[in-house]
Amino acid sequence: GAVVSQHPSWVICKSGTSVKIECRSLDFQATTMFWYRQFPKQSLMLMATSNEGSKATYEQGVEKDKFLINHASLTLSTLTVTSAHPEDSSFYICSAPTRADTQYFGPGTRLTVL
Amino acid sequence: DAKTTQPPSMDCAEGRAANLPCNHSTISGNEYVYWYRQIHSQGPQYIIHGLKNNETNEMASLIITEDRKSSTLILPHATLRDTAVYYCIVRVGGGNAGNMLTFGGGTRLMVKP
Repeated sequence: GAVVSQHPSWVICKSGTSVKIECRSLDFQATTMFWYRQFPKQSLMLMATSNEGSKATYEQGVEKDKFLINHASLTLSTLTVTSAHPEDSSFYICSAPTRADTQYFGPGTRLTVL
Repeated sequence: DAKTTQPPSMDCAEGRAANLPCNHSTISGNEYVYWYRQIHSQGPQYIIHGLKNNETNEMASLIITEDRKSSTLILPHATLRDTAVYYCIVRVGGGNAGNMLTFGGGTRLMVKP
């Protein structure tokens, strides 16, 4: 199957700082990528849809000024958590669909905000 | 997208077949059935998908009922590494890459020695 990578795999930061997470499709191009968040013992919740060359679309309740998304190329989307607080600690996962419309997920990034 | 109903948990003996059911009684004609699994602390892994015909790949088989209101994912010889949460997702397919996946609670499969 197709491969999606994320970097970093885990990050610990102080409250008030910003953290950038990268999502790359390694062997295919994706005009759209998706960002999910997963809290412990819960299912994945879609945060936003990242669109190459245009603005991201955010799900209801997700602050677009806090979670900045940039889809710089057909293989890279970044999620920046600005002014992170302990309640932003979570497992962040991205996905990208192939041309056959099957979505492949990255390995996830565990964010811990102290 | 149509909602799905899955049992919250199941056990399976190692080496036996694991049969994971999913109900999707409100599925529409253009909606596919997708199965993913998530091993602890990892991103979801694609397993298989289908529209109306049964499908098989190197990981699993997908059996969809004739009325398409339910399906079963079959892992023919479960191993301990198959312990994971399995998600059944119904969504429109057919090449529209803008369609995201909506995750429900899934089934937590525990494969026991």
